Amino acid sequence: EAGVAQSPRYKIIEKRQSVAFWCNPISGHATLYWYQQILGQGPKLLIQFQNNGVVDDSQLPKDRFSAERLKGVDSTLKIQPAKLEDSAVYLCASSTSTGHNEQFFGPGTRLTVL
Amino acid sequence: AQSVAQPEDQVNVAEGNPLTVKCTYSVSGNPYLFWYVQYPNRGLQFLLKYITGDNLVKGSYGFEAEFNKSQTSFHLKKPSALVSDSALYFCAVRGTNAGKSTFGDGTTLTVKP
Repeated sequence: EAGVAQSPRYKIIEKRQSVAFWCNPISGHATLYWYQQILGQGPKLLIQFQNNGVVDDSQLPKDRFSAERLKGVDSTLKIQPAKLEDSAVYLCASSTSTGHNEQFFGPGTRLTVL
Repeated sequence: AQSVAQPEDQVNVAEGNPLTVKCTYSVSGNPYLFWYVQYPNRGLQFLLKYITGDNLVKGSYGFEAEFNKSQTSFHLKKPSALVSDSALYFCAVRGTNAGKSTFGDGTTLTVKP
């Protein structure tokens, strides 16, 4: 089966610019996650969707980050405006809806903010 | 709040020797526990998980992990390491009552020939 797809793979922007990342989960996976992974740290959950509803966005900096999952399939994560500390790898993952199922990760988007 | 600690940033072992990568956790209620591996220039891949039942869990590539409730640990083990096991390993916990997973900061495993 096809894995989780993400684009772009790399992005370089200047601070205060905006950027968007796209994710296509594995077909049939109801749950979609966006993580931020800063170099030397583990992934930190930004937002979790169940179909097109938000389950958890407690760690999403809502003044600058936004995410949507229209129609419960693809998802977009946006940062506007970007800060230097947003430089990280942004990972998208998906899973079936039950809580003990493993997550399948995409290759990530490496964001550099100059 | 739930948390995961991977106390060793780096583990070095010789090929053929047993390996252990340590993980301890804190969570409300019973845990779901996971190990993921990240090879260079590749995404995170699932290795194994503990949900309930037998404390010794077997996973991909000959890896296994032992759940110890009293010590709140879930150490990853392999009887005989391969050079190809060299990678970054992440432990993750999810409470059965909570929605999100929390990851540790990872342990870099280096297996030398």
